[in-house]
Amino acid sequence: NAGVMQNPRHLVRRRGQEARLRCSPMKGHSHVYWYRQLPEEGLKFMVYLQKENIIDESGMPKERFSAEFPKEGPSILRIQQVVRGDSAAYFCASSSRQGHGELFFGEGSRLTVL
Amino acid sequence: EDKVVQSPLSLVVHEGDTVTLNCSYEVTNFRSLLWYKQEKKAPTFLFMLTSSGIEKKSGRLSSILDKKELFSILNITATQTGDSAIYLCAVDPGNNRKLIWGLGTSLAVNP
Repeated sequence: NAGVMQNPRHLVRRRGQEARLRCSPMKGHSHVYWYRQLPEEGLKFMVYLQKENIIDESGMPKERFSAEFPKEGPSILRIQQVVRGDSAAYFCASSSRQGHGELFFGEGSRLTVL
Repeated sequence: EDKVVQSPLSLVVHEGDTVTLNCSYEVTNFRSLLWYKQEKKAPTFLFMLTSSGIEKKSGRLSSILDKKELFSILNITATQTGDSAIYLCAVDPGNNRKLIWGLGTSLAVNP
């Protein structure tokens, strides 16, 4: 039973480019969460999605960031026109039931903006 | 405002020592408290606590929750260098709301 799979593991972008991060939840999990972790800081919640629905996006910046979890395929976190401050580790987690509880995390995608 | 506070922020011990990590919380609603260990990569789940006074144990790690005083502790006995990590505490407030995370305790175990 594969765990939460994220790709790419490392992504380098220049300012103004787009970054797309993918997350495949654990088999049987239909709840996906995205977190951002900056150096020396804790995990910051970004968005909680179920299949085809955004449940809570209160942690997402209003501009340039979007997330989706289509009926088929992985969840995607998209950052448009990246800036240096977007450099961070982006973790995806999944759970089997509503409302968090035990989360299983992916290895993270480390975004570096030059 | 809901918050989770962990202490100490960092800790350095020698192999064989016993450590106690603290997590206190102030939340409007409470469903459970979770502990995670984060090494260089993804946080890995350690414990979920829902009831006061019931100790959860896994090897040298144990944890207990006090819902009256609003805190939890994570104990690690006979520490090893492999225990070096950031230990994260989070509260699940239920009602489909997001987890509230502490900033973590960075533990370094020296040989």
